[in-house]
Amino acid sequence: QVQLVESGGGVVQPGRSLRLSCAASGFTFSNYAIHWVRQAPGKGLEWVAIIPHDGNNIHYADSVKGRFTISRDNSKNTLYLQMNSLRAEDTAVYHCAKCLSGGGWSSFDLWGQGTMVTVSS
Amino acid sequence: DIVMTQSPLSLPVTPGEPASISCRSSQSLLHSSGYHFLDWYLQKPGQSPQLLIYFGSTRASGVPDRFSGSGSGTGFTLNISRVEAEDVGVYYCMQALHTPSFGQGTKVEIK
Repeated sequence: QVQLVESGGGVVQPGRSLRLSCAASGFTFSNYAIHWVRQAPGKGLEWVAIIPHDGNNIHYADSVKGRFTISRDNSKNTLYLQMNSLRAEDTAVYHCAKCLSGGGWSSFDLWGQGTMVTVSS
Repeated sequence: DIVMTQSPLSLPVTPGEPASISCRSSQSLLHSSGYHFLDWYLQKPGQSPQLLIYFGSTRASGVPDRFSGSGSGTGFTLNISRVEAEDVGVYYCMQALHTPSFGQGTKVEIK
């Protein structure tokens, strides 16, 4: 079954860290770029980060640059998002999304169901 | 950064009738390949977004042919020829030419 399954969300205090995971199955994970996209409660979609198929040429949204780190382990078919120095405005459902291509920018043809991150004291 | 603007933000529709959503970008989405890097996504209630249209007018796999995309440069349109009850949700346009950015979303609901 072709799918992406996120995990690792939860409630965390401001300033603390959290690591999200995204497990892929049903396709050749190492061939495709993967993104993180988030959605604050009741709000629209916000792109967070991209990691191409080979892990090179990573990009981040300005809102998370310097605090979040995207990585992947192609041997485990898994994507990660290390989130440090969390802020209240990082509260959102975090989705991983597969690209149509291996690198660069392209459309998201497969989305995970998302994992909720709540930053609150 | 490329800013995406959708209209309307709310769209009451009647089943069987057509519907249309507009999306404008702050700069041209024409890539050197000749394709426009403009996508349309639908987020049904309680679900993750799903890809409907990419390259401005190419339907994604499994998308019914009542959905069509058109436009060029900075102006794009998603058309639904005959709305069905299952089409309710929030529609987003997204540019994939540079760091992705989404429109505000258009909420489609049945009258």
